[in-house]
Amino acid sequence: KAGVTQTPRYLIKTRGQQVTLSCSPISGHRSVSWYQQTPGQGLQFLFEYFSETQRNKGNFPGRFSGRQFSNSRSEMNVSTLELGDSALYLCASSTGTGPEQYFGPGTRLTVT
Amino acid sequence: AQSVTQLGSHVSVSEGALVLLRCNYSSSVPPYLFWYVQYPNQGLQLLLKYTSAATLVKGINGFEAEFKKSETSFHLTKPSAHMSDAAEYFCAVSDSSGNTGKLIFGQGTTLQVKP
Repeated sequence: KAGVTQTPRYLIKTRGQQVTLSCSPISGHRSVSWYQQTPGQGLQFLFEYFSETQRNKGNFPGRFSGRQFSNSRSEMNVSTLELGDSALYLCASSTGTGPEQYFGPGTRLTVT
Repeated sequence: AQSVTQLGSHVSVSEGALVLLRCNYSSSVPPYLFWYVQYPNQGLQLLLKYTSAATLVKGINGFEAEFKKSETSFHLTKPSAHMSDAAEYFCAVSDSSGNTGKLIFGQGTTLQVKP
C-alpha cells in the first residue's frame, strides 16, 4: 500500500498571505489528523477529520482550518500567515476506529 | 488531562551499547501508548504501540518497550545500538477510545550513536 503523501513538501510564503496544504491518506483510511511541529512547541495537534467531518480540534486560532473530501483526502488552510506559523506540518492517517496513526513526510512552511 | 514526559532531551550511547529512552505518561484512563522515530527532514515512523494487550511490546528495528502501570512508564529499549539508530524519538499517548485522532507527544529525545 502506498503511504501518506503530502504536497507540497516545501513552501515559502510572505506574512499576511494564505496557504493550503494537501494530504492523501493511506488507501482505505478514513481519518486524517494534522499536527504542527516547531522546535519550541514540539508536536501539537491541530485537528482531525473523519468521514468529511471535523471530529476533534486542538488549541489553535481560527486562522487554521481544514476540510476533508469524500475520497478522504484532506486540506489544511492557514490564512493571514504570521512568522510564528513557520513549521513542519505533518498529516497522519488512520482507519478512524483504531489508535495508531501513520505519518506523511510533512510540508515545511517558511513564512518570511 | 493526558500528558507525556520524556526524560532527557538528548541521549548519547556508543555503538553496540544498550539504548534506553525514558517515557512517563499521565492519563486518567487506560492509555494507548506509542513510540515514533523521526529522521532528519522526514515524517514520523511508528516503532511500536501498546494497546492493552501484552505489556512487553516488540517493534521494528529491534526496539521494544515495556508498559508498567505502577510506574506509569513506557520506556524504549534496544540491546545494541547501531549508527543508523541516530534520530529523534517521540513517545505519544492516546486515550483508550483510540478514535479521537489526537495523539499527545512528549518533547522528544535525540539519540546520538558514537562509533
